[in-house]
Formats: sequence, structure tokens, C-alpha cells
Amino acid sequence: EAGVVQSPRYKIIEKKQPVAFWCNPISGHNTLYWYLQNLGQGPELLIRYENEEAVDDSQLPKDRFSAERLKGVDSTLKIQPAELGDSAVYLCASSFRDNSYEQYFGPGTRLTVT
Amino acid sequence: GDSVTQMEGPVTLSEEAFLTINCTYTATGYPSLFWYVQYPGEGLQLLLKATKADDKGSNKGFEATYRKETTSFHLEKGSVQVSDSAVYFCALGRYSTLTFGKGTMLLVSP
Repeated sequence: EAGVVQSPRYKIIEKKQPVAFWCNPISGHNTLYWYLQNLGQGPELLIRYENEEAVDDSQLPKDRFSAERLKGVDSTLKIQPAELGDSAVYLCASSFRDNSYEQYFGPGTRLTVT
Repeated sequence: GDSVTQMEGPVTLSEEAFLTINCTYTATGYPSLFWYVQYPGEGLQLLLKATKADDKGSNKGFEATYRKETTSFHLEKGSVQVSDSAVYFCALGRYSTLTFGKGTMLLVSP
């Protein structure tokens, strides 16, 4: 069974440029999560989807971050414009709704903003 | 709000040594507790869990007991292997949300 797929794995951009990250969850998982992981820190939730509905986006900085999960499968997280402080690893995870604490994580996208 | 505190790393051990990674939490109510592990180059994966006080979670030789009186969930293993080298994250779950600690890196040498 394929795991959570994320792309790209690495991205280097200049500040003020836009960037997008893509995630394909495990087949059948209706819940999808985007996390931010700063160096030396644990993952912090940005947004949680149940199917195509964002049910918790309270920690998403909506002035520059946006996300979508069309058709309740793949998801895209976008930053526009990027700032130096956005340099971090962006993790995607998925789970069954009835077992939301057993999350399966992708390898992450490491973003460097210069 | 909810928070998780883990011991600082890295923890450096020789193969077959005993492992303890301390974890304490702050939360109202009765959260579920978890240990996740991240091997080099891979995504985080669930290692073990406990859903109520005095529960013991176990997997792959690792164990942790949910201690409500000390708000702790320490990870232990009797004999570590080189392949256990990874970053270990303690987490608590409430309202379908996980709150993670900062992670503790474990390095095991032959």
C-alpha cells in the first residue's frame, strides 16, 4: 500500500515569491492534515480536512497561506508571498476519521526562503 | 492550552543499553497519549498509544505507561538496537487534534 505522497521534497525560493505544496493521502483516508515543523520542534497543525471541508483552520495564517482539497482526495497548500520565517518543513498526514490520532505522515517538503 | 514537554536530546546509547525518554504533559480532562517515531528520511509513524490512566502501550519492545498522577508518559525499552536510532515524539490527543513535543533524538552505536 502506498503511503502519503508529498511533492516537491525540497523547494528553494526567494522571499515574496509564491510556493505550493502537494499531498496525496493514503487511499480511503477521509481526514487530511497539514503541519508545519520548524527546526528542532514538533509538528504544529495548520489545517485539518474532513473530506473536502476544512474543519479546523484556526492556526492557518490566512493572510498568506491557503489550502484546498478538491474532491476530498489530494490537497494543495500555498504560500503567497513567502517570507524568510516560512522556512521550515511542511508535513502532510492522513487518517481515517474514526481513528484520527493514528495519523500517517508523508516525508515532508523542506522549504527554504532566501 | 495543551502542551507536551520532552527531555532534550540527543540521547546517545550503546547497543543493548536501557532507554528512557521522559515525557510530561499539561492538559485539562483526559487526553490520549502517543509516541510517534521518525526514522531518517521517513515520515512520522505511530509507535504506541494509551487512551486512559494506567494503560500501558507497547510495540516493538517499547513501552510507556499513562500516569495521570504525575502527568507523564515516559518511553522505555530494555535493550536498544542500532536500528532504533531515530527521533521520538511524545504527543497528546484531544478533540481529534494531536499536540506534539519537540522530539528527542536517539543515537545508538554498535
